[in-house]
Amino acid sequence: DADVTQTPRNRITKTGKRIMLECSQTKGHDRMYWYRQDPGLGLQLIYYSFDVKDINKGEISDGYSVSRQAQAKFSLSLESAIPNQTALYFCATSDRRISEQFFGPGTRLTVL
Amino acid sequence: AQSVAQPEDQVNVAEGNPLTVKCTYSVSGNPYLFWYVQYPNRGLQFLLKYITGDNLVKGSYGFEAEFNKSQTSFHLKKPSALVSDSALYFCAVRDTSGAGSYQLTFGKGTKLSVIP
Repeated sequence: DADVTQTPRNRITKTGKRIMLECSQTKGHDRMYWYRQDPGLGLQLIYYSFDVKDINKGEISDGYSVSRQAQAKFSLSLESAIPNQTALYFCATSDRRISEQFFGPGTRLTVL
Repeated sequence: AQSVAQPEDQVNVAEGNPLTVKCTYSVSGNPYLFWYVQYPNRGLQFLLKYITGDNLVKGSYGFEAEFNKSQTSFHLKKPSALVSDSALYFCAVRDTSGAGSYQLTFGKGTKLSVIP
């Protein structure tokens, strides 16, 4: 969905490095989410935020942190990247009145 | 806890034939159910949803899904498959009751291959 953008689209990094993935949306939604996708495992929720002052852990938050800088921006950080964090990362948004989520194009992260 | 099962990792169907991608779910309360499609190197695109009302839901690209409460299923269907339908399909559920009722739980995905 072009209204949800993610940067970078691809990133290769080394073990121990700090990495930030960024998400921006122009949909005006108040809720934002970070997921990771691994082959055969579907999507797993890392963190979610219902507004700028509300941030919550998802099912796999260990090793990750987030920042909601504004309603339209939600960043995911890997403080010290490790190889098993190699995955496809998706940002998503939703409006409290709308039940479905809208996804960005994804960031492919490789940790060597 | 809510969960979703997509029992088939891959479904192969000939072009022009009907297709079905299966999904079953488990929730404590009433479910919201969704289907998403993912094309290679793309994000997930919303196809359709069931919230309430008619058990047969129609969505994008000619897809439809039938909510069956007694069988806790929400299978995705299309009467005539196209080669361009080849993609990865995800079913998702949201339990509308209790803590965590905001959260979507996704199945592991089913790869659909439509053979010319």
